[in-house]
Amino acid sequence: DADVTQTPRNRITKTGKRIMLECSQTKGHDRMYWYRQDPGLGLRLIYYSFDVKDINKGEISDGYSVSRQAQAKFSLSLESAIPNQTALYFCATSSVGDPANVLTFGAGSRLTVL
Amino acid sequence: QKEVEQNSGPLSVPEGAIASLNCTYSDRGSQSFFWYRQYSGKSPELIMSIYSNGDKEDGRFTAQLNKASQYVSLLIRDSQPSDSATYLCAVNKGTGGFKTIFGAGTRLFVKA
Repeated sequence: DADVTQTPRNRITKTGKRIMLECSQTKGHDRMYWYRQDPGLGLRLIYYSFDVKDINKGEISDGYSVSRQAQAKFSLSLESAIPNQTALYFCATSSVGDPANVLTFGAGSRLTVL
Repeated sequence: QKEVEQNSGPLSVPEGAIASLNCTYSDRGSQSFFWYRQYSGKSPELIMSIYSNGDKEDGRFTAQLNKASQYVSLLIRDSQPSDSATYLCAVNKGTGGFKTIFGAGTRLFVKA
């Protein structure tokens, strides 16, 4: 089983719908991140969380919200999806015990907003 | 100015050649530097990390860091077709250095 699991892996939705992408991890890591990837733009940080009570905005948080339900779960929500949120979304984790903060990524969730 | 800049490529090299990938960053307070490899349709995976000026070698890969010039590079010796991927430069910044910012990536093609 994957250490970092993202669901759904693929989702097609319509403009204005609410969408939730879920991430769970079995690595015991405290830090969790959400990135989006667009062609030519690399990975851009949306939100990150260093523990259950800590949520921080990243580079592109507008239009997104997150919930850290437990140490192992970090969800990303699009309250009212729009077409320019069509992208590949990655969840990542890292360990407090790792001074280098190396990231472990999930397999990605591909979201298409029509 | 982007925080982490890379030439998007594509960079094409023949099998057995040295591939040279470059990256610059804007924040002098950046503390840790990484190269991730991403195959098409897959998630990024770490291949090299470097924290101090100079070179760091791991097998066919060498990472180079020059903090004065705010420059990071990755050399791949004896390039193989299996090295064909997008290479993402990443930098840790922020309080404690736990916020990772990525460049747009350089696509590398190794021709057999």
